[in-house]
Amino acid sequence: DAKTTQPTSMDCAEGRAANLPCNHSTISGNEYVYWYRQIHSQGPQYIIHGLKNNETNEMASLIITEDRKSSTLILPHATLRDTAVYYCIVRATGNQFYFGTGTSLTVIP
Amino acid sequence: EAGVAQSPRYKIIEKRQSVAFWCNPISGHATLYWYQQILGQGPKLLIQFQNNGVVDDSQLPKDRFSAERLKGVDSTLKIQPAKLEDSAVYLCASSQNTGLNQPQHFGDGTRLSIL
Repeated sequence: DAKTTQPTSMDCAEGRAANLPCNHSTISGNEYVYWYRQIHSQGPQYIIHGLKNNETNEMASLIITEDRKSSTLILPHATLRDTAVYYCIVRATGNQFYFGTGTSLTVIP
Repeated sequence: EAGVAQSPRYKIIEKRQSVAFWCNPISGHATLYWYQQILGQGPKLLIQFQNNGVVDDSQLPKDRFSAERLKGVDSTLKIQPAKLEDSAVYLCASSQNTGLNQPQHFGDGTRLSIL
């Protein structure tokens, strides 16, 4: 199963872009990269996912390197409500989601 | 669309008692998952259903945990008897199917405390 490596914590100033990195060097060709976030006392919230190409939706952008060994989640204008734990997940064979411990993002006023 | 519904939101029991959690997935979602999330850790998959059949229960402690999805819609997860180490948040998720391109959508979970 492809595992991911994320920084334990990050800070970002309110209104600035938050760039959350993720390494997944053992990813296989057909495995997708997913991003979720979890705010205290809530379930994980789906943000975005991609295979090879960069993706953008109303919440964020996902940049995947050409070799697919790493990716970056971009929150273009971080707000205080974006403070959460962000999980980068590679969809493993057998459809397992392995969450790891994620990155704790704190948006600072 | 309505999200994944779970109940109860909180439960406190004593060790060796039994407890059950209920989950109603997003309408039309064939795949349902139960996760356990211990404080400070990411969620860990316990069991996965496709319609009313079990796809993967390799991480489910079958001596005390059981789950069913009899009609392929809502599901219950039971613990009997509970141990102190079962204190956790139990999350339910659903997806349209088991495809790799299908995101899972989560409920807010049931927080279980064992005294």
